[in-house]
Amino acid sequence: NAGVTQTPKFRILKIGQSMTLQCTQDMNHNYMYWYRQDPGMGLKLIYYSVGAGITDKGEVPNGYNVSRSTTEDFPLRLELAAPSQTSVYFCASSYLDRGRGTGELFFGEGSRLTVL
Amino acid sequence: ILNVEQSPQSLHVQEGDSTNFTCSFPSSNFYALHWYRWETAKSPEALFVMTLNGDEKKKGRISATLNTKEGYSYLYIKGSQPEDSATYLCAFRDNFNKFYFGSGTKLNVKP
Repeated sequence: NAGVTQTPKFRILKIGQSMTLQCTQDMNHNYMYWYRQDPGMGLKLIYYSVGAGITDKGEVPNGYNVSRSTTEDFPLRLELAAPSQTSVYFCASSYLDRGRGTGELFFGEGSRLTVL
Repeated sequence: ILNVEQSPQSLHVQEGDSTNFTCSFPSSNFYALHWYRWETAKSPEALFVMTLNGDEKKKGRISATLNTKEGYSYLYIKGSQPEDSATYLCAFRDNFNKFYFGSGTKLNVKP
């Protein structure tokens, strides 16, 4: 059981370049999330999705885009990379249904992105 | 933007010491409070999920309590061991299923 898989694990980008962080989960979870973690800070929510075709902004969405065409995949797109986007990115998923299960988050291993 | 605060930021204890940390969160729009354990070079893993005021959860030497009316949760570790060294995160889940994380308490247990 793979759980939540993120790729790539490391990437260096030049200012202005674009890239996509891939996230896939094999647990049939309905909710998926993207977080970024900056030194000394907690995890900040970038975007989240409640199911295929539905996405919404989190706390820090500027400079990012997402899509959710399938239940399994939730890619995060950086269109014009800026040094402020240097961070560690975590994808997470959960099965959230009121009255059933704990709704705990399952995390990927993280993607370390540096923008120079 | 919702504020979840954890204290202390870091903690150094000796093996065998008992310790506790705090998570404070808004009392409105509350659905659940989660605690996660995050070891270096790994991903966060869930410890507890609490939903009801007065909830108490226990897993081995680690336990947690929840007070939703005043907006705080405590995590306790009894008889700390070096393998307990990690960052402990709390996360507030609101009624819209968004999770807001505190910045974590980094625990270092010295043998």
